Amino acid sequence: DAGVIQSPRHEVTEMGQEVTLRCKPISGHNSLFWYRQTMMRGLELLIYFNNNVPIDDSGMPEDRFSAKMPNASFSTLKIQPSEPRDSAVYFCASSLTGGEAFFGQGTRLTVV
Amino acid sequence: AQSVAQPEDQVNVAEGNPLTVKCTYSVSGNPYLFWYVQYPNRGLQFLLKYITGDNLVKGSYGFEAEFNKSQTSFHLKKPSALVSDSALYFCAVRDLGGGSYIPTFGRGTSLIVHP
Repeated sequence: DAGVIQSPRHEVTEMGQEVTLRCKPISGHNSLFWYRQTMMRGLELLIYFNNNVPIDDSGMPEDRFSAKMPNASFSTLKIQPSEPRDSAVYFCASSLTGGEAFFGQGTRLTVV
Repeated sequence: AQSVAQPEDQVNVAEGNPLTVKCTYSVSGNPYLFWYVQYPNRGLQFLLKYITGDNLVKGSYGFEAEFNKSQTSFHLKKPSALVSDSALYFCAVRDLGGGSYIPTFGRGTSLIVHP
């Protein structure tokens, strides 16, 4: 398996624009996590899906952030409108329920 | 509730010397513990885990971790450090009796191995 695949690897956008980050989890994994990593705040969990259903979205910063998982092999994280403070590295990770998570390479988002 | 602490932001060690990266945890039930490593501009990579059994767990790249229930610790160790081990290390815990499948990560410890 190629592991967790995220796209794009880098994204630079202007404030106010919509940004969509994409994730393909490892085949057979039924849990999916979106994390955000910054120097100041470390690694933050944004949302957790199990069997394509959002279970815990308490980490989603505000209504500008939304995440979907339309099927077992694809998830998106959308920011609309984007702001400079959203600049961070966003990671997607997948696992079997309760097991160790496997992380993608991340998307480095810069909002100018 | 579950929590994990990595008391050191940075650990410095000379190449060839043993290394220890510390982790302590708090859970209501039994812990499920993990260590991950993150190299620059990469995602976190799983190193090893502890659920039950032998308190000394062996993982990737020669790393091992020792589970100590009385001290609620799960320190990462390696007998002989390499310069290439320099990276950011994360400890994580999940409470097996807590009903949640979401692990809690520590803030990370930067390991620097000097030649």
